[in-house]
Amino acid sequence: GAVVSQHPSRVICKSGTSVKIECRSLDFQATTMFWYRQFPKQSLMLMATSNEGSKATYEQGVEKDKFLINHASLTLSTLTVTSAHPEDSSFYICSASGRASGVSYNEQFFGPGTRLTVL
Amino acid sequence: AQKVTQAQTEISVVEKEDVTLDCVYETRDTTYYLFWYKQPPSGELVFLIRRNSFDEQNEISGRYSWNFQKSTSSFNFTITASQVVDSAVYFCALSESVTSLNQGGKLIFGQGTELSVKP
Repeated sequence: GAVVSQHPSRVICKSGTSVKIECRSLDFQATTMFWYRQFPKQSLMLMATSNEGSKATYEQGVEKDKFLINHASLTLSTLTVTSAHPEDSSFYICSASGRASGVSYNEQFFGPGTRLTVL
Repeated sequence: AQKVTQAQTEISVVEKEDVTLDCVYETRDTTYYLFWYKQPPSGELVFLIRRNSFDEQNEISGRYSWNFQKSTSSFNFTITASQVVDSAVYFCALSESVTSLNQGGKLIFGQGTELSVKP
């Protein structure tokens, strides 16, 4: 199956700093990538959808200036949490869909997630 | 609007018991996809099944089985002879169909059901 990696898996930072999370599709072309946030004991909430080469589409209530998403290539998308605060502490998960032999457009492949802790 | 409801927040069973996780969905689309994911304590989502709206055939995969009923908008998941390793949070999700090359279907997740299988 298709593989999606995320880096880093865990990050601890001080309040006010910016954190970048990378999401890579390893063996397929990710034409669309999704970013989710999951608070403890809660479900995954979609933050934004990005198509390669286009600006990301943010869900209602998600600040686009705080959560910067770049999807510059078919294998890499990045999420930058700018001026992070303790309330941004969460589990961030990316997923990707796209094309390759055996990969359908209607399936998302998930990365392992990044646990962000802001002190 | 699309919505997925998993009414059972937590379920606790003893090993070897059968357990059914309920999922009810709402959508106005005639073409859509339903998914089940497993999220163990590590956090990584594990894909279990995808079903499209035109295929109401029930599916069995080892100890897992799924019952898709369009008449009641339900997509229930049964684990037979549960094991301790089945302990995890299980999410049901709904996706719109993909209509263009660069557009992946957004996933709407249910609230999740935390399954605890005790020895």
